Amino acid sequence: EPEVTQTPSHQVTQMGQEVILRCVPISNHLYFYWYRQILGQKVEFLVSFYNNEISEKSEIFDDQFSVERPDGSNFTLKIRSTKLEDSAMYFCASRNPGTGGAGAFFGQGTRLTVV
Amino acid sequence: GEDVEQSLFLSVREGDSSVINCTYTDSSSTYLYWYKQEPGAGLQLLTYIFSNMDMKQDQRLTVLLNKKDKHLSLRIADTQTGDSAIYFCAESRRDDKIIFGKGTRLHILP
Repeated sequence: EPEVTQTPSHQVTQMGQEVILRCVPISNHLYFYWYRQILGQKVEFLVSFYNNEISEKSEIFDDQFSVERPDGSNFTLKIRSTKLEDSAMYFCASRNPGTGGAGAFFGQGTRLTVV
Repeated sequence: GEDVEQSLFLSVREGDSSVINCTYTDSSSTYLYWYKQEPGAGLQLLTYIFSNMDMKQDQRLTVLLNKKDKHLSLRIADTQTGDSAIYFCAESRRDDKIIFGKGTRLHILP
């Protein structure tokens, strides 16, 4: 079965450092997403990406965040200067158009800990 | 704006049925979902229902949708210890982001 893979599974970083979270979406998918889940909280939408540009972003996705699809296979989330409150589980997802969420596949997540 | 509400905790005896309820606000929702998250794990899509359906059954899982009241429920028959997890209700419009609820933690009593 196809799957979305995320690396690393756990990353610890010092406050103020830049981090890049990596995702390999399913190969023929065209929509890509990042979500985050602060410990014990709801899963929150961050950003959606289609046709090499951001299609929608939430209020959380401020200037400290950026996404990129550098090589046609990876989809990355960069946080420029991490804050303590960025500590969360970050989930990547991908799907094909026309399938709605029914076809959305989620990765296993990257747990980011900012110290 | 879009919002999804669900109760935070549910305790059920092993072998009984579990019913997890959810309400949502977006009348334009096309898909309604139930995701399962086990401790330390990712999001597993359990089942989904199109907004023009009112019921879907898949083995031990039954999803009921009352579109008029914007109410969704998940029934798990013969609840087992392996069903212990957090269950997220979620919705999306066609080709749009998924909006999640806060999740219901299902605790199984022996």
